[in-house]
Amino acid sequence: KQEVTQIPAALSVPEGENLVLNCSFTDSAIYNLQWFRQDPGKGLTSLLLIQSSQREQTSGRLNASLDKSSGRSTLYIAASQPGDSATYLCAVRNPGAGSYQLTFGKGTKLSVIP
Amino acid sequence: SAVISQKPSRDICQRGTSLTIQCQVDSQVTMMFWYRQQPGQSLTLIATANQGSEATYESGFVIDKFPISRPNLTFSTLTVSNMSPEDSSIYLCSVDVLGTQYFGPGTRLLVL
Repeated sequence: KQEVTQIPAALSVPEGENLVLNCSFTDSAIYNLQWFRQDPGKGLTSLLLIQSSQREQTSGRLNASLDKSSGRSTLYIAASQPGDSATYLCAVRNPGAGSYQLTFGKGTKLSVIP
Repeated sequence: SAVISQKPSRDICQRGTSLTIQCQVDSQVTMMFWYRQQPGQSLTLIATANQGSEATYESGFVIDKFPISRPNLTFSTLTVSNMSPEDSSIYLCSVDVLGTQYFGPGTRLLVL
């Protein structure tokens, strides 16, 4: 059974710092990995999707990497801003006919202090 | 991409009652998914809803407690039946578009 772990559970940084969020998964046979952002009491916003054959994806100040063999992904946020404050969730999708189920980590709650 | 709306956005209900949550997508999709996020926890898939067939429920979730309708390719409902305080959660609707999952804003439910 796939398990996803995110470390740290919470992180507080001053504005302008670069930071890294970590995600690890137990079954390396994944189809893809997706990073989401969740604001308090809200739904999820998709940030980046990495296919199993890819090593990284970039969008603006965000860069996500994937090391499938070691079961790890990182989300790098450059020049953090107070608006980046949110919970960041990592989710993996395992292959299989008709398999769309995502396994989520519990998230990292990020606070960027002005 | 996909734009998903949900109604209601939040509700406070009494135990023993039922609540139906609606999910509307801006494009036709084959499958729609319902997730639950309990306080302090991550998301758990409740069921997958296909148009024209019965929903497929994950382990620990049953149709009598969470009946789902899928009348067309852009709409689905999830009913939380005979509610108890343990059902207090955020319920989220989701769709898959070319391998990327998109989520609605969620319905925050509090059961007293």
